[in-house]
Amino acid sequence: AQSVSQHNHHVILSEAASLELGCNYSYGGTVNLFWYVQYPGQHLQLLLKYFSGDPLVKGIKGFEAEFIKSKFSFNLRKPSVQWSDTAEYFCAVSAGGADGLTFGKGTHLIIQP
Amino acid sequence: GAVVSQHPSRVICKSGTSVKIECRSLDFQATTMFWYRQFPKQSLMLMATSNEGSKATYEQGVEKDKFLINHASLTLSTLTVTSAHPEDSSFYICSANALGDTQYFGPGTRLTVL
Repeated sequence: AQSVSQHNHHVILSEAASLELGCNYSYGGTVNLFWYVQYPGQHLQLLLKYFSGDPLVKGIKGFEAEFIKSKFSFNLRKPSVQWSDTAEYFCAVSAGGADGLTFGKGTHLIIQP
Repeated sequence: GAVVSQHPSRVICKSGTSVKIECRSLDFQATTMFWYRQFPKQSLMLMATSNEGSKATYEQGVEKDKFLINHASLTLSTLTVTSAHPEDSSFYICSANALGDTQYFGPGTRLTVL
């Protein structure tokens, strides 16, 4: 069975600070990796995904993530956050194909102006 | 593209009644749809995988007789919560596979059982 661990449940940053949210997964086979964001009152939106190839993945809104296979990690980064990045961030994995997603518990990010 | 809708967005029902939630992929065909449940301030938990024209696959611990899933077409899946109880109150979210292994999520349905 798959599992996903997000290290920080709550993160508070000031605008322009750099962001890194940790995500580790546990699974014995090949996985597809995702970061989703849920803005207040809105539905989940895909930030970025990794299936194969270049382990450094660029997503929307200036976010990127790096897949480090040896560490079973897929950390999310953004060099300079904005107030509008305040949201809940979820890391998720799947075995691909018709498999559902296994989500981490989420990180609540608050950006202070 | 890749828009998923859900209806209704909110529903309140009495204990013992049944509630149907619809999930539609608006601009693509989805052979596979998924149903998740999200408790307040918690993550999403996969309930079941719905394949068009076949029976749904339920995750361990999810009662298939309570949560009936029908995937009648490539753009529609329904979740019926039967004989609802207050503990079934939750946020139910569907997703659909599109563009190769990427799931797109609906806006969710908040169910309150009185």
